[in-house]
Amino acid sequence: EDKVVQSPLSLVVHEGDTVTLNCSYEVTNFRSLLWYKQEKKAPTFLFMLTSSGIEKKSGRLSSILDKKELFSILNITATQTGDSAIYLCAVERRTSGTYKYIFGTGTRLKVLA
Amino acid sequence: GAGVSQSPRYKVAKRGQDVALRCDPISGHVSLFWYQQALGQGPEFLTYFQNEAQLDKSGLPSDRFFAERPEGSVSTLKIQRTQQEDSAVYLCASTVGLQETQYFGPGTRLLVL
Repeated sequence: EDKVVQSPLSLVVHEGDTVTLNCSYEVTNFRSLLWYKQEKKAPTFLFMLTSSGIEKKSGRLSSILDKKELFSILNITATQTGDSAIYLCAVERRTSGTYKYIFGTGTRLKVLA
Repeated sequence: GAGVSQSPRYKVAKRGQDVALRCDPISGHVSLFWYQQALGQGPEFLTYFQNEAQLDKSGLPSDRFFAERPEGSVSTLKIQRTQQEDSAVYLCASTVGLQETQYFGPGTRLLVL
């Protein structure tokens, strides 16, 4: 059965700390891995990763994928209180002309001032 | 342009009542997804449309759940004879096409009493 596992489930840090969020997966017909930030209701897109070893970067956030070991990490440097959110990892699988996204349970990050 | 919209934002139903949740995707987006997100969990895939065709409904939890997208734009998720376990946030997402970023709506929070 396909699964996406995120760790840790929750994390509390202080402003300025660096955090690393983990996502491991076992998904057949893998196509891509995506990271989302969910603050209130709607997840907002952060990164899409399709190739191993290529870091994607956006400001203080960066992410990388390892397709051999089947995991990805999301790094946030110099954290700010506005980074407090749930970070979701999703894996896209493609079968028979259709595709779906399988989400992990998320990592709840709390950044204290 | 406008993002994905969903209505109602909140719905309280008595057990046994039928509900209908609406999703207006971004104009021109071909693919539309419905997800169910229980408290503390990641979004769980329900169903996927490509234009008006429902290509995957493997995530619908029972035959009480029904989704349609008759003209390939607006979609409705209907839940018949609601049960307490149906209480969740129902998220809709759309994409321009295959392997593109999903844009999520704000969700409908359903509470079944």
